[in-house]
Amino acid sequence: DAGVIQSPRHEVTEMGQEVTLRCKPISGHDYLFWYRQTMMRGLELLIYFNNNVPIDDSGMPEDRFSAKMPNASFSTLKIQPSEPRDSAVYFCASSQQERIQPQHFGDGTRLSIL
Amino acid sequence: DAKTTQPTSMDCAEGRAANLPCNHSTISGNEYVYWYRQIHSQGPQYIIHGLKNNETNEMASLIITEDRKSSTLILPHATLRDTAVYYCIVRAQGKLIFGQGTELSVKP
Repeated sequence: DAGVIQSPRHEVTEMGQEVTLRCKPISGHDYLFWYRQTMMRGLELLIYFNNNVPIDDSGMPEDRFSAKMPNASFSTLKIQPSEPRDSAVYFCASSQQERIQPQHFGDGTRLSIL
Repeated sequence: DAKTTQPTSMDCAEGRAANLPCNHSTISGNEYVYWYRQIHSQGPQYIIHGLKNNETNEMASLIITEDRKSSTLILPHATLRDTAVYYCIVRAQGKLIFGQGTELSVKP
């Protein structure tokens, strides 16, 4: 079975530009999670969805960040406008049940804002 | 903040068992212990989880103390490909809260 698929794998853009990260969860998984990883802060949960509905966005750093899940097979994380401090690796994960079942992670998008 | 404490780094000889400890003294009765690992530049990979009984799968064994305040992940025959950062996580309110993990280096 295909795992969680993220695109692009790498993104380099200039400060102020809009950035869109994409994620396709594993088919049949009800939960989708967005994480960010930096050297300073480690791996942080940004937001998660259940059945396409955002449940907890308390980890989203500020209004420049937004996430959507228009259907069960696709989610986006947007940053507008982007800033150099947004440079990080962004991971998407999905699971069948939020509380018990393990989360399966994609390989991430490495984002560099110049 | 993460609810677990792990050593920053450990070494293990190839072919030997790797025993990775984790302290979670404030764990609640209904919280599970999860272990993930992250190989450089890849996404975290699920290894195993448990509530109070010891667990084993094709990757590893998880030993949880009777008082549930600590656990040990055991990789029975470590290989060079097991070199990674290993995260012990107590699942609180459905979220995975990652700490700094243990950097395991398997040496030939």
